[in-house]
Amino acid sequence: SAVISQKPSRDICQRGTSLTIQCQVDSQVTMMFWYRQQPGQSLTLIATANQGSEATYESGFVIDKFPISRPNLTFSTLTVSNMSPEDSSIYLCSVDWAKDTEAFFGQGTRLTVV
Amino acid sequence: GNSVTQMEGPVTLSEEAFLTINCTYTATGYPSLFWYVQYPGEGLQLLLKATKADDKGSNKGFEATYRKETTSFHLEKGSVQVSDSAVYFCALSDSGYNKLIFGAGTRLAVHP
Repeated sequence: SAVISQKPSRDICQRGTSLTIQCQVDSQVTMMFWYRQQPGQSLTLIATANQGSEATYESGFVIDKFPISRPNLTFSTLTVSNMSPEDSSIYLCSVDWAKDTEAFFGQGTRLTVV
Repeated sequence: GNSVTQMEGPVTLSEEAFLTINCTYTATGYPSLFWYVQYPGEGLQLLLKATKADDKGSNKGFEATYRKETTSFHLEKGSVQVSDSAVYFCALSDSGYNKLIFGAGTRLAVHP
């Protein structure tokens, strides 16, 4: 198993500002992913955070809005840029060690944009 | 593209009732299938999984069988408890790594 720490756990932000969410894992992992869970809805994959290179974004998500960094095998950040109320969601980090193993999720960051 | 369809909730049951939450999927190839659970105030946890056709995943009294012929992975439990109240998500992955596609989630409420 893994200990995944996400910071902050929650935040209330003004529209037009940006928030950076951190994901720290207690061991090296192969894959790191970022998901969004909008209010009352399911989880949607935003992107795969690639170590040492640009993230791979899913359809509907772009780097300018959700820049992602992954400087090493235990850490990643997701920035939500130029926020609007529609960005109010829970953002979750997920990690994976190898193929066909269990994915683990962080506790999530609950973001409210006012 | 790949997708997961789950029965809509909420599902409300009395304690010790039988539970079925339907899940069907659309995917190319042979995906792995998962059920995740989100208890109130907690993070997402893997409940069970199956990686190939006819596999049965089981955990905490919950079971689901990977049915390729009906592209289904229905979640069942013979006798639910109040502590099973949570949101249940069906998901698939076709990449080997857990790049997951989730269903909409089904909220289960169990009353004494």
